[in-house]
Amino acid sequence: NAGVTQTPKFQVLKTGQSMTLQCAQDMNHEYMSWYRQDPGMGLRLIHYSVGAGITDQGEVPNGYNVSRSTTEDFPLRLLSAAPSQTSVYFCASGEWDEQYFGPGTRLTVT
Amino acid sequence: QQQVKQSPQSLIVQKGGISIINCAYENTAFDYFPWYQQFPGKGPALLIAIRPDVSEKKEGRFTISFNKSAKQFSLHIMDSQPGDSATYFCAAIDYKLSFGAGTTVTVRA
Repeated sequence: NAGVTQTPKFQVLKTGQSMTLQCAQDMNHEYMSWYRQDPGMGLRLIHYSVGAGITDQGEVPNGYNVSRSTTEDFPLRLLSAAPSQTSVYFCASGEWDEQYFGPGTRLTVT
Repeated sequence: QQQVKQSPQSLIVQKGGISIINCAYENTAFDYFPWYQQFPGKGPALLIAIRPDVSEKKEGRFTISFNKSAKQFSLHIMDSQPGDSATYFCAAIDYKLSFGAGTTVTVRA
């Protein structure tokens, strides 16, 4: 039981490039979400999904896309990377009262 | 704008001392209040949580105190140990999880 896995662990992008952060879970959770963590700001919700085919925006969705074709996978797409998207990204899955977080992806946009 | 306000930003405590972290909220739709603990290089993990109809919950050395009328809640870490050094986030749930900004706790041996 791997829990929540994220790839890559580290990534450097140039401004304007696109990429996909991968997230997978093996706990059969319907609810999955993406957060970004920035110093002094805690974790802010980007997008979330309550099941396959259903996604919704969180607090800071601009510049990011998501899709949920299976229960297990919830990829996050950066359409055109900007320096403001430099952050640590966490994927989580769980029930309403407990979220299990992945190990994070540290993204730097130059 | 953060829906959950957390203080202090950081604190240093001696081994065996008490760490206290405070949080406040305005949204009365919040109906569950978890605390998450995060070690460097790791994702956050649930530490302890409380419902608003309970004034206090204790698990080992960790206690949540909850004041519904004041819309405030706090985490007390008793007998703090070096292994407690981490960042602590308070959070609140309505239909999604909203986090405070985090408190970095350093326990000096």
